Amino acid sequence: GESVGLHLPTLSVQEGDNSIINCAYSNSASDYFIWYKQESGKGPQFIIDIRSNMDKRQGQRVTVLLNKTVKHLSLQIAATQPGDSAVYFCAPSGSARQLTFGSGTQLTVLP
Amino acid sequence: SQTIHQWPATLVQPVGSPLSLECTVEGTSNPNLYWYRQAAGRGLQLLFYSVGIGQISSEVPQNLSASRPQDRQFILSSKKLLLSDSGFYLCAWISPGQGAGANVLTFGAGSRLTVL
Repeated sequence: GESVGLHLPTLSVQEGDNSIINCAYSNSASDYFIWYKQESGKGPQFIIDIRSNMDKRQGQRVTVLLNKTVKHLSLQIAATQPGDSAVYFCAPSGSARQLTFGSGTQLTVLP
Repeated sequence: SQTIHQWPATLVQPVGSPLSLECTVEGTSNPNLYWYRQAAGRGLQLLFYSVGIGQISSEVPQNLSASRPQDRQFILSSKKLLLSDSGFYLCAWISPGQGAGANVLTFGAGSRLTVL
């Protein structure tokens, strides 16, 4: 089955700095990648997605980079704000059933 | 607009007691529905998914069961809870056939279960 991991379980950044959250996956057949944000006590929420035929996608203050050669993707958050504090999950997907989540990275924004 | 409701939000149950968590979806038809469990500090573990009424697939053997009596209703149950059943239970849905983004899960707010 798919193995999904994130490089760091916790990440602390100063408010205003940029954050980079990394994720490695094992299934080269994954054709769709989703990042979710989970605030404390709530369900995960969709942030941004990227298809395997792309290597970069930008949203509002967030950018996802995909490197299929090394099976790695990253989520970059610009000008990190206190509201960005949450657990971030990447979820590679080959089908609706095969949505696999790693253990997530806890992002803490320091004042 | 589509919304998803889960209840109860929190519950504390003794070992050996039954469990029923309910999830309903509004604003969509024939969704794929999912139950996930999240232990403290851990990722999401897929428990059950359903592609239609009465159709349940189990991903992990356990003392939990799921049912889908109506198109937009998904229920997670147990006859006798174990201590290890404690966790944060999340219901989610996917609306099929949307093309790009078809695999994006929309999660409910979760139900936090503590088994004592």
